[in-house]
Amino acid sequence: QQQVKQSPQSLIVQKGGISIINCAYENTAFDYFPWYQQFPGKGPALLIAIRPDVSEKKEGRFTISFNKSAKQFSLHIMDSQPGDSATYFCAAFHSGTYKYIFGTGTRLKVLA
Amino acid sequence: EAGVVQSPRYKIIEKKQPVAFWCNPISGHNTLYWYLQNLGQGPELLIRYENEEAVDDSQLPKDRFSAERLKGVDSTLKIQPAELGDSAVYLCASSPDLNTEAFFGQGTRLTVV
Repeated sequence: QQQVKQSPQSLIVQKGGISIINCAYENTAFDYFPWYQQFPGKGPALLIAIRPDVSEKKEGRFTISFNKSAKQFSLHIMDSQPGDSATYFCAAFHSGTYKYIFGTGTRLKVLA
Repeated sequence: EAGVVQSPRYKIIEKKQPVAFWCNPISGHNTLYWYLQNLGQGPELLIRYENEEAVDDSQLPKDRFSAERLKGVDSTLKIQPAELGDSAVYLCASSPDLNTEAFFGQGTRLTVV
């Protein structure tokens, strides 16, 4: 119940295309869902986050779509750029235990 | 504003040797996390501090791992003795309080040979 399942494991997208990464969770007690971006040799950096009372959040080219009933959320990167090539982690946070559970990561490569 | 600072960036040691990692969180951040990140995996929590108190160390292998956060600021994570399977990236993160996002350092890549 503590797992967060992330797919796909890797993704190749043409420049200008849309990158979509999906995550699913089981524990309905999770109440905060961030996405982190990690470049090689760097720590994860917060990209965008959403709370379950909202179905969508957009920040620039990045959008989170949240489906509470399906217990799924996804990251959409519009107009993908080579500079977006990185590993993306979804996470779920439980405010009762103050614990983040991370997905296994998606390695995105955007072709120039 | 300076981010979370970790040192060393890289460490290579022989198995059975001790090793220590250091973390300086963002100033004013009361919550400090140590995470383990294996290759191709997401971070997994080892221990969480609220100020100087370790409030969640349920995932810390206490037979060989120890951590401390003196004065509620800097923290060290120690492994003694190190095993081959400990090779991974050790990430430190901090947040202002319990319900805000965590900011990560660059990590320490440990290789045990």
